[in-house]
Order: sequence, then C-alpha cells, then structure tokens
Amino acid sequence: EIVMTQSPATLSVSPGERATLSCRASQSVGSNLAWYQQRPGQSPRLLIYGALTRATGIPARFSGSGSATEFTLTISSLQSEDFAVYFCQQYSHWPRGTFGQGTKVEIK
Amino acid sequence: VQMLQSGAEVKKPGASVKVSCETSGYTFINYGVTWVRQAPGQRPEWMGWINPYSGDSDTAQKFRDRVTMTTDTSTSTAYMELRRLRSDDTAVYYCAREVYSGPSGNEYWGQGTLVTVSS
Repeated sequence: EIVMTQSPATLSVSPGERATLSCRASQSVGSNLAWYQQRPGQSPRLLIYGALTRATGIPARFSGSGSATEFTLTISSLQSEDFAVYFCQQYSHWPRGTFGQGTKVEIK
Repeated sequence: VQMLQSGAEVKKPGASVKVSCETSGYTFINYGVTWVRQAPGQRPEWMGWINPYSGDSDTAQKFRDRVTMTTDTSTSTAYMELRRLRSDDTAVYYCAREVYSGPSGNEYWGQGTLVTVSS
C-alpha cells in the first residue's frame, strides 16, 4: 500500500507570505495526486488534481507541481481564509484514495 | 452539484449504521460515489467506491467484511452500511464525487455524517 507523507506537520506563516507544502509518495503515483483544504468543521475542499490542475473556482494563488513521488502545493500570498489543514491524496494505486497526514497552516 | 447526507447517528458497539447520500445537479449514473471517513483529528480514510451504473464497487481491505455500498438510481441516492460497529468507528463519514468519471480527485462532497459509537 502506498504511504503518503506530508511535511512539515505545521507551517507558521504571516498573512501575505508564501507557503510551500510538500507531499511524498512511497512509490510513483505519476500525476495522480490531489490536494485538499479543510477548515474546522467543514468537508474537504478540492484545490488541485492531476498534480497541477486547479479545481473549479480555486484562486490562482494556489498552485501544484511535481510528479512521481515528490509534490508541492504553493500558496503564493496567504489570505486569512487560507489558514487551515491541507491534505494530499494519491489516486493512482489501490486502495485509490490514500491521504497524507496533513499540514496545518497557522498564523505566525 | 449537491450531495446531501443523512443526519448524525449514535450507535452501540455491535450495531449497524446506514448512511445515505442524496445527489442532485448531475447525471447520477455517470459518476462513481466515493465514501471517506475521518476520525477526530485524523487524516481522511478512503473506504470505498461504487459505480451507480454497473453496481460494481471497490472496498478498502480493512472494511471488506463490514461495509456494503449500494445505490438507488431512481432517487440518485447512494448508501453505505457499516456493520459490527466498534468504538474506533466513531468518525465523520463523507460521500464524494470525482471531477470526472474516473480517478481524478473528489471535487464534490457531502456535509458529512457524524457516527458516534458508544455504549
């Protein structure tokens, strides 16, 4: 089973600054990688799929990159509503839908 | 697209729970429905997926003997039943739909159903 590992566990960032989140897969998942944002008490929100395609309605400050085993989510200029937990998910190999443990982006 | 789930449940260990997910705004049979659960403070956990058109499903190994996923195409509703509940099944259960009709990330989510297992 593929293991998804995210780093760091917590990222402290000031509003307006850039945030860079990492996700590593234990084996290649190609470009079959999604990123989600989850605010407290809410359902996950799809940000990126196919490693780099923004989902409908997602602001351009969110961008994804990477392939195979190394992926990055970049938030170019953090807004107040961006402070949340972010999960990556692979959907390449069975069980399709393995999530990372999450990165919490908090206000510095 | 909307996915409206049934309300919170409190169950005793050993009981069963059936969560419903009523969909609208798209052609139900054209997209699979995924079930994901999330225990408090934990990462989401993929439970399984069902194709409403064919009825084919795929369930994570750890749930294979306790989970049944079904759909009702007449009402565009998906169901997930979890049997022999244990305290560590306490979680929020979500249904979700992918971006397109194939593995692609889950773009639409239900609001979640909290299932609490307690004696």
